[in-house]
Amino acid sequence: RKEVEQDPGPFNVPEGATVAFNCTYSNSASQSFFWYRQDCRKEPKLLMSVYSSGNEDGRFTAQLNRASQYISLLIRDSKLSDSATYLCVVNGAGGSYIPTFGRGTSLIVHP
Amino acid sequence: DVKVTQSSRYLVKRTGEKVFLECVQDMDHENMFWYRQDPGLGLRLIYFSYDVKMKEKGDIPEGYSVSREKKERFSLILESASTNQTSMYLCAEEGASQPQHFGDGTRLSIL
Repeated sequence: RKEVEQDPGPFNVPEGATVAFNCTYSNSASQSFFWYRQDCRKEPKLLMSVYSSGNEDGRFTAQLNRASQYISLLIRDSKLSDSATYLCVVNGAGGSYIPTFGRGTSLIVHP
Repeated sequence: DVKVTQSSRYLVKRTGEKVFLECVQDMDHENMFWYRQDPGLGLRLIYFSYDVKMKEKGDIPEGYSVSREKKERFSLILESASTNQTSMYLCAEEGASQPQHFGDGTRLSIL
C-alpha cells in the first residue's frame, strides 16, 4: 500500500464550481500535513498547512480527519488560474519525519 | 521570503559526464533535500541532509552522490550521467517542523 495516495484526476470543472480533493495516508502517527500547488514545468509551492481543527484561506479550506486518515482540500468559486496539480504532503507517513509527497491531483478549470 | 537557488534552469550533458547540480538556501536551515520528478511518478527523494557533512540516502540514490560542505549549499552529483537520469531535479530546504520550500528546478537532459 502506498504511504500517501491521491486520485490523479484530472478533475475538469467549470469556473465558479466547488471542487474537493482527498489524500489518504497510511501511518496513523503522521504529524504534519500540507497542500502544495504545482504549475506545469514549475516547482511545487506551499498552498497551505493543514491543522487538526481545519483551516481556511480565502476560497481554500483544508481539513484533517485523523480517524479515517485523510486530508482534504476544498476550492470554492474555482478560477481559471486554479488550474494546476495539487500535491498533498505528509510528515511521518513512512515512519520517519521525512515528508512524503502524494503524486498529485490535476485540476483543470474551464470557462 | 525563503529563497532556494538552483544553479541552472536547463542543462544538457552527454552520457558518461560527471554532472554537478548546485543548490543554495538563505534561511540557515539544517535540512536540505534533492528530488527528481518524472511524469506519472511524482517526486522521488534521492538524498537528504540534516547538517553539514551529513547525508542520508533517499528512495533512489543509485547513480548519485551529494556533498554538503557548508550549511547553505547542498550539491547533487551524477557520477557518470546516463540517459535515464534525464529528469527535472528539485532541491528543497526545510526548517524544524516547517514545510519545505523548493528551488525553481533544473531540467537536465542527458544525450
